[in-house]
Amino acid sequence: QKEVEQNSGPLSVPEGAIASLNCTYSDRGSQSFFWYRQYSGKSPELIMSIYSNGDKEDGRFTAQLNKASQYVSLLIRDSQPSDSATYLCAVNHGEGGKLIFGQGTELSVKP
Amino acid sequence: GAGVSQSPRYKVAKRGQDVALRCDPISGHVSLFWYQQALGQGPEFLTYFQNEAQLDKSGLPSDRFFAERPEGSVSTLKIQRTQQEDSAVYLCASSSTSGTGINEQYFGPGTRLTVT
Repeated sequence: QKEVEQNSGPLSVPEGAIASLNCTYSDRGSQSFFWYRQYSGKSPELIMSIYSNGDKEDGRFTAQLNKASQYVSLLIRDSQPSDSATYLCAVNHGEGGKLIFGQGTELSVKP
Repeated sequence: GAGVSQSPRYKVAKRGQDVALRCDPISGHVSLFWYQQALGQGPEFLTYFQNEAQLDKSGLPSDRFFAERPEGSVSTLKIQRTQQEDSAVYLCASSSTSGTGINEQYFGPGTRLTVT
């Protein structure tokens, strides 16, 4: 079992819809969680971080954390074609703060 | 302000050659991380510095890989006697904090290494 698991997709949603991206992790001691967006040929760009159970909203993005279920999700409201990218879930793995990444979910937003 | 910078952006090496990849973190950032990203995969941790101290090198795949950050700012990842399996994108990230708390990491553009 991988430490951080994501559905690789591709996830296809129509423009204007809500895109829901999911991630599970295996280490119960994990304390902080991140979502990165990566466009093809580019490096990961931090879009959300979350540390406490519940929801955290930033513009069209909402991150949700459920530590009991070891589950993190990212909702993108009013999806735009420019949101088409690979979304990487990352978990702070403890000492030193190294991140463990999932393999990423490819999102395609169709006009 | 300026983000993380890396050089070169692209490197082609013949098998057996040594390469050096440079990372210049965001000014004042305490922590610096190196990751390796294979095509279609998420980044994988290689090593971590807090200032000039290399606190974790558990992800370095072999003793051919060596990293340093002698003055606590710029870091160099060196790969000796490159092999084809070393072909990947090498990403550097920096963070203003250390440890397991709030630790938002910002990535540079990466160096794409191709070993022929």
